[in-house]
Formats: sequence, C-alpha cells, structure tokens
Amino acid sequence: GAVVSQHPSWVICKSGTSVKIECRSLDFQATTMFWYRQFPKQSLMLMATSNEGSKATYEQGVEKDKFLINHASLTLSTLTVTSAHPEDSSFYICSAREISGDSYNSPLHFGNGTRLTVT
Amino acid sequence: KQEVTQIPAALSVPEGENLVLNCSFTDSAIYNLQWFRQDPGKGLTSLLLIQSSQREQTSGRLNASLDKSSGRSTLYIAASQPGDSATYLCAVRGGGGSNYKLTFGKGTLLTVNP
Repeated sequence: GAVVSQHPSWVICKSGTSVKIECRSLDFQATTMFWYRQFPKQSLMLMATSNEGSKATYEQGVEKDKFLINHASLTLSTLTVTSAHPEDSSFYICSAREISGDSYNSPLHFGNGTRLTVT
Repeated sequence: KQEVTQIPAALSVPEGENLVLNCSFTDSAIYNLQWFRQDPGKGLTSLLLIQSSQREQTSGRLNASLDKSSGRSTLYIAASQPGDSATYLCAVRGGGGSNYKLTFGKGTLLTVNP
C-alpha cells in the first residue's frame, strides 16, 4: 500500500532555532501534500496545502513566514518551523494525495507525525 | 465553515462488545467522509472512505454509514478486541465553502478491556 514517510518522528529544540520536517511519498507521486498540526486532545487542524512546483496555500491564521513549506518534487515536501517558540510545540502530521482522475475522492495517506518540543 | 463533532469523546467497553461511534457535520455539501484510526503518538490510518453518493462501507468488523442529508455518520465495530483500542477520527472533505479541505472531529478515544 501507499506509504508516507515523515522524518524526524520527534525533535527537541531550543527556542529561537529552526526545525525542518520532511514528508516523503515512498511508492507514489503526490502533486499535493497537506500539513496538519494537532494539539493534545484536539482535532487535526490544516495548516497549509503544498503543491509541487508552486507556492503553498496557507490557512487563515497560519504565518507563512514562520512555517516555510517547500514542495520541490512529486515525492517530497518539507515544513520548516523558523525561530521556534514553546507555543509551537505540537504534533505535526503530513498527508499526501495520490494522483488520480477523481481528485476529490482520491485517498489521502498520512505520515506518522513529528512531535516537536521547543524548550 | 464546516464543523465536525464526534460523540462520545471517550468510550470504554469490555472485549467482545459491539459498539457505535457517532460523527456529525454541519454542512452536508461534502464529497466524502472518512474514518481514521490514530494510535498514541502516531499518524493516521484510513479505515473507511464513504463517497457522498454512498450509504455505507464495510471492511471486516467495521461498518460505516453515511446519512448525508442529516449530516451524520456512524462507525460500527463488531466483536471489539483490545487491539481496537485507539482514537477514532471522523473527517469530511468539502462543505463550508472549501472543496478540498478535510475537516476533522476531535475523535473518540476507545478502550477495549480484556
């Protein structure tokens, strides 16, 4: 089955530093990848939609200069949390959509998430 | 704006029991609804996807139904097992003015006791 690899699975960093999270589709191509954030006991909140070869689309309230997204190939998207602060500590999950004829019903495959802790 | 609500927030049952998880959404103009499983500290595993034109989907001991007009879905788990313990998330695609976005509920934390 389709696999999405997310790396690292957890990271601890100091306040003010930047952290990069990678999301790779291992056995399929994904023109679109999504980045979510999940706080404890809360639902997943979409942060941004990453489109290969173009600028990401950010959801309202998400700072694009703080959460830099790059989608340079059909199998890789990265999220960089710049100048991280303790309030950025969260669980970040990516998902990738398989290329198919029916874009609205094409399956989404999720990575295992990255636990970010900013001290 | 699409909103998804899941009831109950938590559920604890003895092994072997049949159970139902509920999901409701505010805007019925959806493309599909998915049920996911999330284990602690892990990503999501897709369980079932129901397209807007469908009424239900089945996979093994799982059966999901969709009543699009009333904005409701249920996930039925038969003969529950301790390995079913996880958080179950419901998500809808579309509605609330967004064609592609997945909107998630907060999930139901299921514990199946041996």
